[in-house]
Formats: sequence, C-alpha cells, structure tokens
Amino acid sequence: DAGVIQSPRHEVTEMGQEVTLRCKPISGHNSLFWYRQTMMRGLELLIYFNNNVPIDDSGMPEDRFSAKMPNASFSTLKIQPSEPRDSAVYFCASSRGGAGTGELFFGEGSRLTVL
Amino acid sequence: AQRVTQPEKLLSVFKGAPVELKCNYSYSGSPELFWYVQYSRQRLQLLLRHISRESIKGFTADLNKGETSFHLKKPFAQEEDSAMYYCALVNQAGTALIFGKGTTLSVSS
Repeated sequence: DAGVIQSPRHEVTEMGQEVTLRCKPISGHNSLFWYRQTMMRGLELLIYFNNNVPIDDSGMPEDRFSAKMPNASFSTLKIQPSEPRDSAVYFCASSRGGAGTGELFFGEGSRLTVL
Repeated sequence: AQRVTQPEKLLSVFKGAPVELKCNYSYSGSPELFWYVQYSRQRLQLLLRHISRESIKGFTADLNKGETSFHLKKPFAQEEDSAMYYCALVNQAGTALIFGKGTTLSVSS
C-alpha cells in the first residue's frame, strides 16, 4: 500500500488565486483528517470526515477554506481566494475507526506558498 | 480547554546521553495521549501510545495525571533518534488528535 497520497507536493501561487489540494486515503480507512502545519501554530486540525461526512470543521479558518469528500477514496481542500498567510504545509491523514485509536496515517504533505 | 504544550522547540544532546522530551496537557477526564515522530524526509508516524505502556525504539512515556504530563524518555540517545517529536491528545469529542507544536531532537556524536 502506498499509504496516504497527497498532491501536489509543492504549490506556489499568487495571492487571490484558487488552490486545490488533493488526498487519497488508505483503502479501508473510514476517517480522514486535514491538518495545517506552520512554525507559529504547529499542527492544527482543519476538518475531520467520517464515512465521507464532515463531522468537525471547527478548525477551518474562514469561508475561504472548503473541503469535500465525494467518495471514500478522495478528498479535496480548496482555498479561494488564497492569501500569503495561508502559506503552510497541509497534511492529510486517514485512520480506521477515528482518532480514538490514536493511529493516524499521514501523507507526505502539500507545501503551499502564496506570494 | 484541551491543550498540549511542548515547552522546548529544540533539544540538543550528545549520543549516549539521556533524553527527556516534555509534554504537558490540559483535559477534563481521562486523556488518551500519544507520541508521534517525523524523521527527516519521512512521514509523521505514531511512535507510542500511553495506553499500551510500551517501549518503542527504547523510548517510554509515562502518564502522570497529578502533573498532567506525558514526557518521552530514553536512557541513551542515538544519532538516529534525531527527529521532530509531537505529543498528541484525543480531543474531548473523540474525533481528532490535538498536537503540540513539536520538539526537534538533535543527537550529535
């Protein structure tokens, strides 16, 4: 298994542009998480899906951020319009049975730079 | 409020020295705590969980409810232990992990 797959690995864009980050979770995992990592704030949970349904999106910074999970094997995180303060590494993680087991499997991350 | 605090951004030790990575938490009730590690050019991965009371790669962590701490310890550091270490807590809703800001461990010879 290739593990959690994220794309793109790196994205450089200009302020105001739309950014779409993609994630393919591990097959059979029913929980999917999007985290954002910055130097100042560390790893922050953005949104959590269970069985493709958004359960907790309280970490989504503002309306410019949206996330979808149309099926069990694909999720997107969209930022529109992007701003320089959105520059960060965005991680997708999946697990079998939610966070209670504590074992989240992380992707390699998407490093976003907004100029 | 539920929170994980890792007070040290960087910890530098010599090979063979003892290591203690600090983690403090705030939580109502019985917390579920974990340590994650990210080696250079590798993915963030689970190192150990408090409920298992296990030793992984020589590391152990004991939950101290009185001090609300879950420090990660290893008696003799190795160069291959150099990595970023994150302490994590299952949130009150049981839906996700809350991470500390991480501590970079640097082990030199």
